[in-house]
Parts: sequence; structure tokens; C-alpha cells
Amino acid sequence: NAGVTQTPKFRILKIGQSMTLQCTQDMNHNYMYWYRQDPGMGLKLIYYSVGAGITDKGEVPNGYNVSRSTTEDFPLRLELAAPSQTSVYFCASSYLQGNSPLHFGNGTRLTVT
Amino acid sequence: QQQVKQSPQSLIVQKGGIPIINCAYENTAFDYFPWYQQFPGKGPALLIAIRPDVSEKKEGRFTISFNKSAKQFSLHIMDSQPGDSATYFCAAQRDGGATNKLIFGTGTLLAVQP
Repeated sequence: NAGVTQTPKFRILKIGQSMTLQCTQDMNHNYMYWYRQDPGMGLKLIYYSVGAGITDKGEVPNGYNVSRSTTEDFPLRLELAAPSQTSVYFCASSYLQGNSPLHFGNGTRLTVT
Repeated sequence: QQQVKQSPQSLIVQKGGIPIINCAYENTAFDYFPWYQQFPGKGPALLIAIRPDVSEKKEGRFTISFNKSAKQFSLHIMDSQPGDSATYFCAAQRDGGATNKLIFGTGTLLAVQP
């Protein structure tokens, strides 16, 4: 099993451009999440999904959108990229709600200039 | 309050030393406290977790100590090795609810020198 796969690994965007960060998991997990990681700030939840067709905002959703059309895929869309969105983005999944381990992908490093 | 305060930000120890990373929380509704380990270029991975009904949990060289009255918990790494060099995140979560909402600490960058 590949686990959680994120693409691309790196990306540089100009201000105002848009892009989609891809995330797919092959563990048949219902729960999926997008986090951003900034130096000294830990991990902040952007959006999450409890199953196909169901998404909800996390702590820092502004400037992002998500969709969940299948159990496997949970893409994150950045519209009108801003320098404040420069970060490392992690997708994660879990089997259950509550105290179930999060399985993270290896991240996408995004720079907006 | 939803914060989890983690210290120190960075830590350097010699091989064989016992690094200690501390975390504190305020929300008494938190009842699950995991630690995640992150190597450079990788995503975090669950290392060890504890519930507040026990004061200590050991898994190999890693130990969580939990002080419910002080609302603090800490990670100890016994006989640390250079391969333990990584960033460590504590986290806290309130059980129940419809979603998994971990609150992460700010991370501790550990370097174990040979």
C-alpha cells in the first residue's frame, strides 16, 4: 500500500495564480484532512472530510476550497494565491474518528511570490 | 482554551542523553494526548499516545509522563540515538464528536549528536 500520496512535492506560484494540490489514499479511510505547517506554528487544520461528499472547515480555511467526490481523493484548491499561503501542506487520513492515528503524506512545499 | 503549549523549540543532546519535551494544555475536556514524530521531508507519524487515566506510558525508549492536575505531559527519550533526530509534536484532542480535531503544539526540533 502506498498510504497517502501527495502531488506535487514542490511548487512555485505567482501571486494571483491558482492551483490544486492533489491527495489520494489507498487505505479506504473515511476521514481525510488538510493541514498547513509553518515554522514555529505547528500544524493547522484547513479543511477536513468525514466521507465522500462531506467536507467542513477547519481552523484556517480562508483562501482554500476542497471537494471529496470519492473516498480516495481529497484535492485542495488555492484560488488567487497570496504570499501568506507560502507553507508546507500535508494531507492526512484516518480510519476512524476520535483517537485514530493520522496517516500523513509527505507534503507539498508551496512558495507564492 | 484550545491551545497546546510546547517547549523547548529546539533541543540538542549527546548520544545516550535523555531529551525531555514538555507540553501544557488548558482545556480539561482534552482526553487523548498523542506525540507525532517528523523526519525532514516527511509527514508526521504517530509515535506514542496516552490517555489521562494513566500517569505514564512506555513504548521502547519513548515514555510519556502525564500530570493531570498540572495539565502537563512530556515525552522522554531514553538512550537517545542520532536516528531520533527529528521534529516532535505533541497534540491534544477531545474525544467524541463527529470529527477528529487534533490541536498540535508548535513542535520541538531535536538533534542528537553522535
